[in-house]
Amino acid sequence: EDKVVQSPLSLVVHEGDTVTLNCSYEVTNFRSLLWYKQEKKAPTFLFMLTSSGIEKKSGRLSSILDKKELFSILNITATQTGDSAIYLCAPRSGAGSYQLTFGKGTKLSVIP
Amino acid sequence: DAGVIQSPRHEVTEMGQEVTLRCKPISGHNSLFWYRQTMMRGLELLIYFNNNVPIDDSGMPEDRFSAKMPNASFSTLKIQPSEPRDSAVYFCASSLRTSPSTDTQYFGPGTRLTVL
Repeated sequence: EDKVVQSPLSLVVHEGDTVTLNCSYEVTNFRSLLWYKQEKKAPTFLFMLTSSGIEKKSGRLSSILDKKELFSILNITATQTGDSAIYLCAPRSGAGSYQLTFGKGTKLSVIP
Repeated sequence: DAGVIQSPRHEVTEMGQEVTLRCKPISGHNSLFWYRQTMMRGLELLIYFNNNVPIDDSGMPEDRFSAKMPNASFSTLKIQPSEPRDSAVYFCASSLRTSPSTDTQYFGPGTRLTVL
């Protein structure tokens, strides 16, 4: 059975801090890994990672994948209160599969 | 450009009643996914369709749940009879089905279901 573990489960930081969110996975026939941000409503897409060691970057957010060690990290620098959300990691597995298996998420709270 | 549309946004019903949730995917997308999210279990895939055909319904919890996609622009998830443990947020997502490695799913706003 596919397994996705995110850590920490929750995190409280002050504005301006840098945070690192972790995602480890065990899935069959790994294809790619997606990160989503969920505020009060629906998850919104952040990154898709398919290759090891290649950093994806968008503003203050960046992410990298290690397919050998089966993990990914999401970094947020100079955090702002608007970064407060649940961050979900979702590897895609299975030959020809379009299914995602979601972790339970990391709840990030950024306080002024 | 409209995103994924779901209705209703909130549903409160009594145990034993039939519940129908609706989803309109993004125009041009050919894959549609139904998820359920709870505090205990997180986000779980229930069923997904490609080109209106159900591909994998192994996540559907039991026979009380059924889903249909009569055309490319509409899908329903039905629960009959509903039970309190079905209370959750139900999300619909759609994607363009480019390739398994690069496909991106876009989520609707969700339906918050409460079964009393």
